Amino acid sequence: DGGITQSPKYLFRKEGQNVTLSCEQNLNHDAMYWYRQDPGQGLRLIYYSQIVNDFQKGDIAEGYSVSREKKESFPLTVTSAQKNPTAFYLCASSFAAGLEPQHFGDGTRLSIL
Amino acid sequence: AQTVTQSQPEMSVQEAETVTLSCTYDTSENNYYLFWYKQPPSRQMILVIRQEAYKQQNATENRFSVNFQKAAKSFSLKISDSQLGDTAMYFCAFMKLAVSGAGSYQLTFGKGTKLSVIP
Repeated sequence: DGGITQSPKYLFRKEGQNVTLSCEQNLNHDAMYWYRQDPGQGLRLIYYSQIVNDFQKGDIAEGYSVSREKKESFPLTVTSAQKNPTAFYLCASSFAAGLEPQHFGDGTRLSIL
Repeated sequence: AQTVTQSQPEMSVQEAETVTLSCTYDTSENNYYLFWYKQPPSRQMILVIRQEAYKQQNATENRFSVNFQKAAKSFSLKISDSQLGDTAMYFCAFMKLAVSGAGSYQLTFGKGTKLSVIP
């Protein structure tokens, strides 16, 4: 079945450490997105990518980095510069053109040790 | 910039009853889309219903329907015959339509309404 796979489901980060969250999709979608969700908050956009080797900052990009080397993959790195990384992270994808809505993965919960 | 406001942090409804979740938004755009997403305790985001702003007819999907008031910038969700499986966070979201018709579409989310269906 087509879908979006995020891994790991739970991740722990030590102080000063970079960690990478994986997002893979087999829906043949052009665009991919990373969102952060905090308690009592809606989803906030971190980064998005419309095509391979291209990506743009969202509303809260500071302390995060991404790459888009393959159409299917859009990993997110939470760097040590992100001082409050504890949150639930959701990856999504969609067709770049047309009216199809975004499809979401199951998320990764990141916590600080 | 667009903003989406959900004024009801929490709501509850008796099983089989009807409930309406409110959403208002602020935009200067004329062409856009509105969505309601459901996030059950499993945390997966599931699309419930969507509405194109150029359509006057309100969207319906089985027990779910919307009341779209473009002039008032209001987009409420009505759930009929509520079921226990409807218990979830519900998020209203706005998407601007790219002028060229191509490119990615960014979603702006409200803070959500936690709906509990009581047996």
